[in-house]
Amino acid sequence: AQKITQTQPGMFVQEKEAVTLDCTYDTSDPSYGLFWYKQPSSGEMIFLIYQGSYDQQNATEGRYSLNFQKARKSANLVISASQLGDSAMYFCAMREVLYSGANSKLTFGKGITLSVRP
Amino acid sequence: DVKVTQSSRYLVKRTGEKVFLECVQDMDHENMFWYRQDPGLGLRLIYFSYDVKMKEKGDIPEGYSVSREKKERFSLILESASTNQTSMYLCASSPNYNQPQHFGDGTRLSIL
Repeated sequence: AQKITQTQPGMFVQEKEAVTLDCTYDTSDPSYGLFWYKQPSSGEMIFLIYQGSYDQQNATEGRYSLNFQKARKSANLVISASQLGDSAMYFCAMREVLYSGANSKLTFGKGITLSVRP
Repeated sequence: DVKVTQSSRYLVKRTGEKVFLECVQDMDHENMFWYRQDPGLGLRLIYFSYDVKMKEKGDIPEGYSVSREKKERFSLILESASTNQTSMYLCASSPNYNQPQHFGDGTRLSIL
């Protein structure tokens, strides 16, 4: 069974500083993918970054980077130069390939609340 | 940009009613998903569909059914609404399993 763990309580960071949001996962599948989403207070889910299990490089997207440590089964999100608009809930999710092999579903963690202080 | 549209942002219904939540996507995506989100529990998958008229149970399908008669539309049905189905419901779509899912704005459903 798959599992995504996000155990940090509410996180606080000073504006313009970097912050790391932790995510660990558990799977026996050799092929998987990891996603991070942001959910502001308005409720919409915004895709941030993706890392495939066979990717050689850590994923980066602008101020977001993913610290992927396969042996430790961790996929931490790093946000550099935090902005007030980064205040939101952040979800880590893992793609599970289904029995058909052609389809998949995502399993989400419980989320981490990030607050950026001015 | 991908657009996933959920028919209602807020909805209030009564116990025992049959409730329909509609979701439409405009990018010809194969896969569509329904989740519910509750505080402290994250997002939990209710049902998903990878083709027209196809459906698969997610992690918490009890009390729900779905319909996908057209590729762009995926409906979630609460057959007989109960108070424990009060929640935020999120619809998503994706072109294939390697691509991220795109979400609608969500429907906050209250069952009284």
